[in-house]
Amino acid sequence: KAGVTQTPRYLIKTRGQQVTLSCSPISGHRSVSWYQQTPGQGLQFLFEYFSETQRNKGNFPGRFSGRQFSNSRSEMNVSTLELGDSALYLCASSFRFGSDSPLHFGNGTRLTVT
Amino acid sequence: AQKVTQAQTEISVVEKEDVTLDCVYETRDTTYYLFWYKQPPSGELVFLIRRNSFDEQNEISGRYSWNFQKSTSSFNFTITASQVVDSAVYFCALSEVSNNDMRFGAGTRLTVKP
Repeated sequence: KAGVTQTPRYLIKTRGQQVTLSCSPISGHRSVSWYQQTPGQGLQFLFEYFSETQRNKGNFPGRFSGRQFSNSRSEMNVSTLELGDSALYLCASSFRFGSDSPLHFGNGTRLTVT
Repeated sequence: AQKVTQAQTEISVVEKEDVTLDCVYETRDTTYYLFWYKQPPSGELVFLIRRNSFDEQNEISGRYSWNFQKSTSSFNFTITASQVVDSAVYFCALSEVSNNDMRFGAGTRLTVKP
């Protein structure tokens, strides 16, 4: 079974630009979560989608948005990029929506904002 | 809000030593789930174990064991006879039934030297 696939692996963008990250969950998994990982703040929850609906959202500004498609694939968008958005963005999928569901992570997209 | 504390930022041991990674959590929920994840240098977080708040039995899986104590709000992870391949960052995480977003500790970087 293929794991969680995130594309691209690396991105370099300039301040003020916008970026879209993509995530394909494990086949059969319907819940997708996004996390931001930085050396200073660690792993921070961005949002979770299930059945194309955002079910939960972390404490991030509105510049961070996402969506989920009918095939459970998800995209995350960051607009008006800031230097502080440089991070590893991790996508995770789980079979269902629920606090007891283990997350299965992808390798992440490393975003560098210059 | 829930909180996970991993006080040990970095641990270095020599191969074959036993090592315990500490995890202390805070929650107001009576039903919650605790997790451990491993993040090797490749970046992908790997799920290791899940525990629910009603199951305080210790668990052993090969060289890995977990000690869950509600009285001290701790969920510690012990690696017996450590190996170089155990070198990674280990994260403890908590998910409450009431809000369903998984919160991670800051992580403990374990280095096992040959």
